[in-house]
Amino acid sequence: DQQVKQNSPSLSVQEGRISILNCDYTNSMFDYFLWYKKYPAEGPTFLISISSIKDKNEDGRFTVFLNKSAKHLSLHIVPSQPGDSAVYFCAAADNAGNNRKLIWGLGTSLAVNP
Amino acid sequence: ETGVTQSPTHLIKTRGQQVTLRCSSQSGHNTVSWYQQALGQGPQFIFQYYREEENGRGNFPPRFSGLQFPNYSSELNVNALELDDSALYLCASSDGGRGYGYTFGSGTRLTVV
Repeated sequence: DQQVKQNSPSLSVQEGRISILNCDYTNSMFDYFLWYKKYPAEGPTFLISISSIKDKNEDGRFTVFLNKSAKHLSLHIVPSQPGDSAVYFCAAADNAGNNRKLIWGLGTSLAVNP
Repeated sequence: ETGVTQSPTHLIKTRGQQVTLRCSSQSGHNTVSWYQQALGQGPQFIFQYYREEENGRGNFPPRFSGLQFPNYSSELNVNALELDDSALYLCASSDGGRGYGYTFGSGTRLTVV
């Protein structure tokens, strides 16, 4: 039972255009959501996060939108650059008790073409 | 400030053997989490250590065990290795604060044959 779902395994976008990566979740108790980027042979790198009390967070070219009623969040990258090509993971924070762990989606591989 | 360092980077073991993976956490971080990432999957939470005590565990059998040392470095031990244990093992450290600012290492690629 995948609590965090990234239904698109891959996405291809032209340089300069917008990349939209989607993520759905099932557990309404999640209170914090994060996006990580992962290059081959490297660990995941934190990109941007959003608290469940907000619906938008922006950091430079990256914006995350949260729709709590739909249990859906999305990451927008504008404009997309070839260096953005990587696997993007959506993660949700499960803060049950004192055990703070991240529940991850399967990832979306983004290819930004020059 | 140094990041998270994991060793070894690659490892090949035979089914039934035991393995120890090591992680040096980022300076100032007192919390370490371990994740298993199988091919084509997202990372799966194994367990977390805070100030040398395990304070959370995912759905992994007892043959997965760990330690955290006074300098907050950590070990992941896996006994009686199975073929399905082949994966990338990621260590992440944080300062234990309210945020989720985990810093990940590059991982150890374990292959069980």
